[in-house]
Amino acid sequence: EAGVTQFPSHSVIEKGQTVTLRCDPISGHDNLYWYRRVMGKEIKFLLHFVKESKQDESGMPNNRFLAERTGGTYSTLKVQPAELEDSGVYFCASSWKGQTSYEQYFGPGTRLTVT
Amino acid sequence: TQLLEQSPQFLSIQEGENLTVYCNSSSVFSSLQWYRQEPGEGPVLLVTVVTGGEVKKLKRLTFQFGDARKDSSLHITAAQPGDTGLYLCAGRPSGTYKYIFGTGTRLKVLA
Repeated sequence: EAGVTQFPSHSVIEKGQTVTLRCDPISGHDNLYWYRRVMGKEIKFLLHFVKESKQDESGMPNNRFLAERTGGTYSTLKVQPAELEDSGVYFCASSWKGQTSYEQYFGPGTRLTVT
Repeated sequence: TQLLEQSPQFLSIQEGENLTVYCNSSSVFSSLQWYRQEPGEGPVLLVTVVTGGEVKKLKRLTFQFGDARKDSSLHITAAQPGDTGLYLCAGRPSGTYKYIFGTGTRLKVLA
């Protein structure tokens, strides 16, 4: 079974530009999460989709971040316009709806560098 | 703000030694997960504990969830160089689906 995949693995952009990150969850997983780790800090929750609906977006830092999950399959996270403090590693995770423990499986992450 | 403190932050030991990593919080969690992360990769799920006092074993790794579901520990017996990595605990607050991550413990096992 394929795991969670993310694209691109690395992205270097200039301040003010736009970047779109993509996440493909494990097939059959209704729950999809975005997290990020900025330099020297712990991994922090950004938002949670159940299928195509946003269940919890309490961790989104500001309105420069837009997440979508059209059709309830893959998800994109767009940062527009990017700022220096957006640099970090963005992780996607997915879990199966039926699990009571909501075990989350992570992708390899996208390392974003804003210069 | 819910915090998960891990200790120690860094640990360097010789092959064959035993070690324990702690994950502590003042908050109660519905479940808690332990991950190991290698450089350039995402966290890999090791175990999930759900019940207070629960103990799970994964080969040489023993995981325990505190009775009050506020803390957890990871014990490694006879550590090997392959155990080297960043160990992360993550707790799920009641009524939510998101996980709060700990600060991490970076383990290095020397041959």
